[in-house]
Amino acid sequence: AQKITQTQPGMFVQEKEAVTLDCTYDTSDPSYGLFWYKQPSSGEMIFLIYQGSYDQQNATEGRYSLNFQKARKSANLVISASQLGDSAMYFCAMREGQDMGRRALTFGSGTRLQVQP
Amino acid sequence: DAGITQSPRYKITETGRQVTLMCHQTWSHSYMFWYRQDLGHGLRLIYYSAAADITDKGEVPDGYVVSRSKTENFPLTLESATRSQTSVYFCASTVGGVRDEQYFGPGTRLTVT
Repeated sequence: AQKITQTQPGMFVQEKEAVTLDCTYDTSDPSYGLFWYKQPSSGEMIFLIYQGSYDQQNATEGRYSLNFQKARKSANLVISASQLGDSAMYFCAMREGQDMGRRALTFGSGTRLQVQP
Repeated sequence: DAGITQSPRYKITETGRQVTLMCHQTWSHSYMFWYRQDLGHGLRLIYYSAAADITDKGEVPDGYVVSRSKTENFPLTLESATRSQTSVYFCASTVGGVRDEQYFGPGTRLTVT
């Protein structure tokens, strides 16, 4: 079974509007962390936001927020006031508690976001 | 340069050749990783290292060898390159801790002909 599922291969959004990128995860471990990374066309991976499984509040980092619904096992990324520079590939990733020894991430297949002027 | 660097950035090699991808980080992070990125698969873990001289396999280790004699370097060697190893390879590092987001190098685009 897929541990991280991103069901939207591509998304379009108008500049200045908000957009939600979906991510669902599968784990039986009570302790885990969820991450979002941005990959622009230049190829580098840029960390955006983190949510821990025990965090009581949804994470926010500037225009990025994470809509964490633990019971539904979803960790959707919300980008407010989209900018042209937000056009990129976005990856959701998870680190499970049992992986604390190696701290490796499991990635979803990504969502390509295109911001239109 | 500060941060995490990879070399070469682009490499074309022939099937059967040995090739080594280099990764260097200046933060003295304990943990280092190698991932490969293929279309439709996101990033998949090849090998990781928790410290110098400590390495272990990830999800897709076959055909790869790693070493870590110094904390700052984590080279990845393809012993006998195959076309299926054509990919973009990312090195990453993290200091550890509760959050410990990984910091990625710029990637190496490898083509095996």
